[in-house]
Amino acid sequence: DAGVTQSPTHLIKTRGQQVTLRCSPISGHKSVSWYQQVLGQGPQFIFQYYEKEERGRGNFPDRFSARQFPNYSSELNVNALLLGDSALYLCASSLAGYGGYTFGSGTRLTVV
Amino acid sequence: GENVEQHPSTLSVQEGDSAVIKCTYSDSASNYFPWYKQELGKRPQLIIDIRSNVGEKKDQRIAVTLNKTAKHFSLHITETQPEDSAVYFCAASNNNNDMRFGAGTRLTVKP
Repeated sequence: DAGVTQSPTHLIKTRGQQVTLRCSPISGHKSVSWYQQVLGQGPQFIFQYYEKEERGRGNFPDRFSARQFPNYSSELNVNALLLGDSALYLCASSLAGYGGYTFGSGTRLTVV
Repeated sequence: GENVEQHPSTLSVQEGDSAVIKCTYSDSASNYFPWYKQELGKRPQLIIDIRSNVGEKKDQRIAVTLNKTAKHFSLHITETQPEDSAVYFCAASNNNNDMRFGAGTRLTVKP
């Protein structure tokens, strides 16, 4: 069984550009959550989606948006990139209501 | 939303000693408390979890305790080994929703 897959693994963007990150959850998992992890810090909650509906949103600006597709995969979009957006972006999938999260390997975004 | 605080930020122990990491949470509705281990350059991996209807859970050398009244929970690692060296994160959520993480504890086990 494939785990949580994220693409791309690495990305370099210029300030002001837009980026789209992708995540495919474990088969059978209907919930996908996105986290930002800056080096040396814990994962910061960005969004959670369940059955294509937004279930939760963290304290991130409107430049960050996401969506979930009918096959439960998800995209995270970040507009007008800032240097401070440089981080590891982690996607996690879970069963609804229990079982903990399984993380993907992340997308390392560098904004220059 | 939930706020999770974790202490200490760094912990160094001698091989064979025990290690304890403590977390507090703010939202009394939180009922699920997992712990994750993240090795350098790798994804966080779930090592143990506890639900609010249980006070303690053990899995070989690791255990987690929960005090709902005080809103704190702890990770205990006994007989530490060098391969236990990693960053450990606690987290809290309500029914697996909106999971919030602590800032992490860097554990170093010296041989």
